[in-house]
This record gives sequence, structure tokens and C-alpha cells, in this order.
Amino acid sequence: GDSVTQMEGPVTLSEEAFLTINCTYTATGYPSLFWYVQYPGEGLQLLLKATKADDKGSNKGFEATYRKETTSFHLEKGSVQVSDSAVYFCASTGTASKLTFGTGTRLQVTL
Amino acid sequence: GAGVSQSPRYKVAKRGQDVALRCDPISGHVSLFWYQQALGQGPEFLTYFQNEAQLDKSGLPSDRFFAERPEGSVSTLKIQRTQQEDSAVYLCASRNSGVYNEQFFGPGTRLTVL
Repeated sequence: GDSVTQMEGPVTLSEEAFLTINCTYTATGYPSLFWYVQYPGEGLQLLLKATKADDKGSNKGFEATYRKETTSFHLEKGSVQVSDSAVYFCASTGTASKLTFGTGTRLQVTL
Repeated sequence: GAGVSQSPRYKVAKRGQDVALRCDPISGHVSLFWYQQALGQGPEFLTYFQNEAQLDKSGLPSDRFFAERPEGSVSTLKIQRTQQEDSAVYLCASRNSGVYNEQFFGPGTRLTVL
């Protein structure tokens, strides 16, 4: 079945550091890929998405590119802020409509 | 506008009790999903409705779990004879038509079975 693997956390960075959170997927067909974020005390929110190979999703300074050849969708941000501290989930969906999530990566940004 | 709401936000049950968790999706959203999120894990799919039709219930872990959406809007997830392993956050999400459209998540119901 479909699966998503993302790097384990926690990831601790200083403010303004570069962020990469790795995500790879296995799926039949051509899934859409998503990054969701869960801020402390809040629900899951969509951060960005890409629906086909080579698409780049971007939002709030975060980017991720759908790489079919490496089955990856790594999340990057050039300069993180304290307010980016949250848990980040990579997810995929295919024709089955349901989302398949990774286990989440906690990001802690310090001053 | 109003997002997805869930109630109760917290539920404590004694082992063996039945519980019912409610989800109010965004008005007009055709699709509704239930997920289970164990502590420190990502959400896992339970079941999916399109309007009132339950199209996929492959993620329900046992026949103690039952979900319904009789009028195509509000949905209830019922767990009979709760067990300790049922302790988790239960998330509801709704989506407008279209597979690639965003799923909007509610705040979840945290169920603790003692």
C-alpha cells in the first residue's frame, strides 16, 4: 500500500537557519503530495501541495518540489523563524482520496 | 467562515463504555474523512464519506468502530466497548468536490480510555 516516510525529529534550529525536512513516498500511480503543519494547540493546516511531477508548492516562505525520479517531496525554508516551531507532516493522496501521512517532524526554532 | 468543528474536544471513557464523536463539516463540503492519530504519530485513515454514502471503511480497526453520515452533513463516529488501545485523537476532515482539493481538518477529539 501507499506509505510516506519522513525524517524523525525533533529538529532544532536557530532563527534564520536553513531548514530541510526530508520526505519520500511509495504509491501506485501518480499521487498528489502535501505538507501539513500543526502549530501548538491548533489543528492540522495545509501548508503547501503539488499535484504532478516537477510541480513546486510554496507558501509562507516554505517550498517543496515533487520529484518523481526520487519519489521525494522535501520541505525547505531559507530562513526559519521562532513562529515556525510546529510539527510538520508530509502526506500523499492517490485515487483513493484518503491522505496517507508520515509520522511527523517536530521543528523547534530558538532565538 | 466556520471551519470543521468536532465535539466533544475531550472524552474520558472507562474501558467497555460506548462513545460517540461528532463532526460538523464545512457547509457544502461533499467529502468527509475520519482519521485516528496516536500520540507521536501521523494521522491514519479510518473511513470516508461522499455525501451520505460511506465509500471506504477500510481503515476501521475493528467491528467496534462504526461511522455514519445519514443526511450528508454531520457525521458521528461511534466506538463500542472501548479498549485502552482506542486512546487517541480522532480527527475529522472535510473537502469540497475534487480529489486534489484541500482537506480541512477539525481540532480533533482526544479520547482517553481508562
